[in-house]
Amino acid sequence: AQSVTQLGSHVSVSEGALVLLRCNYSSSVPPYLFWYVQYPNQGLQLLLKYTSAATLVKGINGFEAEFKKSETSFHLTKPSAHMSDAAEYFCAALGRGSASKIIFGSGTRLSIRP
Amino acid sequence: DADVTQTPRNRITKTGKRIMLECSQTKGHDRMYWYRQDPGLGLRLIYYSFDVKDINKGEISDGYSVSRQAQAKFSLSLESAIPNQTALYFCATSDLSSGRGETQYFGPGTRLLVL
Repeated sequence: AQSVTQLGSHVSVSEGALVLLRCNYSSSVPPYLFWYVQYPNQGLQLLLKYTSAATLVKGINGFEAEFKKSETSFHLTKPSAHMSDAAEYFCAALGRGSASKIIFGSGTRLSIRP
Repeated sequence: DADVTQTPRNRITKTGKRIMLECSQTKGHDRMYWYRQDPGLGLRLIYYSFDVKDINKGEISDGYSVSRQAQAKFSLSLESAIPNQTALYFCATSDLSSGRGETQYFGPGTRLLVL
């Protein structure tokens, strides 16, 4: 069965530091992979997604993620954190069948220290 | 105007009461979903609908029911609310015709407290 694991329920970094949020998936066939962001009191919105066109995916707000099949990972990074990046981030996987349903990880809350 | 709207945004109810959460979308998407969010558990799928005549249970459907009144409307009901249904509820839509790896579009959420 497909699953998504996010390591670290809470990550804290200093403003200007590298952001690294970890995500691993479990699936016999590499799924479509997503990162969504949830700002306080809002719904989720798409940051970026992997559809197999390129292993390095660039998203909004300077975020990017790299698909590594050998590691079954899709970690999210940003070179320099900004205070406005404070939010909860969800990794998700969607199987490639037309009837597949998206599976979300448990989320990682990112805090930014001044 | 928001593409996916949810009403109410906040609701307090008592154990045993029936409550309905409503979702409307202007995106023209066929697929609609209801999730609940609990701290540390991420989002869990309650029900989903791939078109007006297609309703499916998700991983945690017990205690919930849904109605797809039209392509644009998908309602979630708690027939007899209980305290462990206290959570943040999200409606979402997606469109398979958008291509590979369909994106989900979320409403702003309904915060429900069952006393």
